[in-house]
Amino acid sequence: EAGVAQSPRYKIIEKRQSVAFWCNPISGHATLYWYQQILGQGPKLLIQFQNNGVVDDSQLPKDRFSAERLKGVDSTLKIQPAKLEDSAVYLCASSLDPLAGLTDTQYFGPGTRLTVL
Amino acid sequence: GNSVTQMEGPVTLSEEAFLTINCTYTATGYPSLFWYVQYPGEGLQLLLKATKADDKGSNKGFEATYRKETTSFHLEKGSVQVSDSAVYFCALSDPNFNKFYFGSGTKLNVKP
Repeated sequence: EAGVAQSPRYKIIEKRQSVAFWCNPISGHATLYWYQQILGQGPKLLIQFQNNGVVDDSQLPKDRFSAERLKGVDSTLKIQPAKLEDSAVYLCASSLDPLAGLTDTQYFGPGTRLTVL
Repeated sequence: GNSVTQMEGPVTLSEEAFLTINCTYTATGYPSLFWYVQYPGEGLQLLLKATKADDKGSNKGFEATYRKETTSFHLEKGSVQVSDSAVYFCALSDPNFNKFYFGSGTKLNVKP
């Protein structure tokens, strides 16, 4: 079974530029999560989708971050414009059973390491 | 609010030593508790979980017991191996508010 795929793996941009990250969850997984992991910290949940609907985006800085999950499969996270403090690893995860909610096992992708100069 | 506090690392042990990584939590309701592990060069993966008080999660020789009275979920292993070297994250899910929180992670180094 293929795991969660993310691209690109690394991205370097200058502040005020835009960037987009892509995630393909495990086939059949209803729930998709985006996390931000700043160096030395644990991951912070930014947004949770169930199928193509948003369950929670309370921690997403909506003035610059946006995310979508078209057709309930792939997802894209965008930052526009980027700030220095956005330098982090962006993790995508998926889980199978929407009825299990956040007690279900999350399967993580390898992450995208973003550096903002 | 909800939060997870882990002991700071790195923790350095010799092979076959006993491991404890402390984790305490603050929660408004009845959370589920998790340990995730990140091996070098790999993504995060679930190690074990417990969904209610007094439950014990176990996997690969690791154990953790959900202690509501002490709000703790300490990770233990009786005899660590070099291959256990990784970063361990304690995490909490709050079903009432649909939130998920990770601790800051504890790096474990096991020497042969």
